[in-house]
Amino acid sequence: DAKTTQPNSMESNEEEPVHLPCNHSTISGTDYIHWYRQLPSQGPEYVIHGLTSNVNNRMASLAIAEDRKSSTLILHRATLRDAAVYYCILRGAGNNRKLIWGLGTSLAVNP
Amino acid sequence: EPEVTQTPSHQVTQMGQEVILRCVPISNHLYFYWYRQILGQKVEFLVSFYNNEISEKSEIFDDQFSVERPDGSNFTLKIRSTKLEDSAMYFCASSRWANTEAFFGQGTRLTVV
Repeated sequence: DAKTTQPNSMESNEEEPVHLPCNHSTISGTDYIHWYRQLPSQGPEYVIHGLTSNVNNRMASLAIAEDRKSSTLILHRATLRDAAVYYCILRGAGNNRKLIWGLGTSLAVNP
Repeated sequence: EPEVTQTPSHQVTQMGQEVILRCVPISNHLYFYWYRQILGQKVEFLVSFYNNEISEKSEIFDDQFSVERPDGSNFTLKIRSTKLEDSAMYFCASSRWANTEAFFGQGTRLTVV
């Protein structure tokens, strides 16, 4: 299973943008880049995913490097509710449907 | 908005007892999963289920574990003889297709005493 590397923790101020980095140098051509987050005492929550092109949705943006060896999750204006652990996960195509979780980045948002 | 629901939210059981954790996936989803998270540790994959059979399982998912989709809506995880180390949060998830996003329930906290 391809691995990802994320900083253990990051801090942001409310209403400021947050850029959460992820390195995945061993990504294969068919791996999708998924981001999930887990708020305290809750189940994981899907944030966004992409393959090659940058992606935007109502929660966040995903910027994928041209060589796909890294990506950045962008929260445009952090709120207190965005304080969570953010996981960057590579998910293969075909039969490899499981999500392999690392320790993620614990994001603290200061008021 | 459709959601995955899990019951119970908290289950306490004695070591050696059988437990069944229940999940109702999102209705038009085809792929179902169980994950667990021991307190303070990573989320771990247990099993995936598609077309009424297990499609993949981890080393954790040994003979003590089983899954079933007894009707068109429920998806259950059974632990036959619980051990202390089975204490964890168990999350059910479902996805429409193999590579689309997975939606997770709020989890069942299993405490084995």
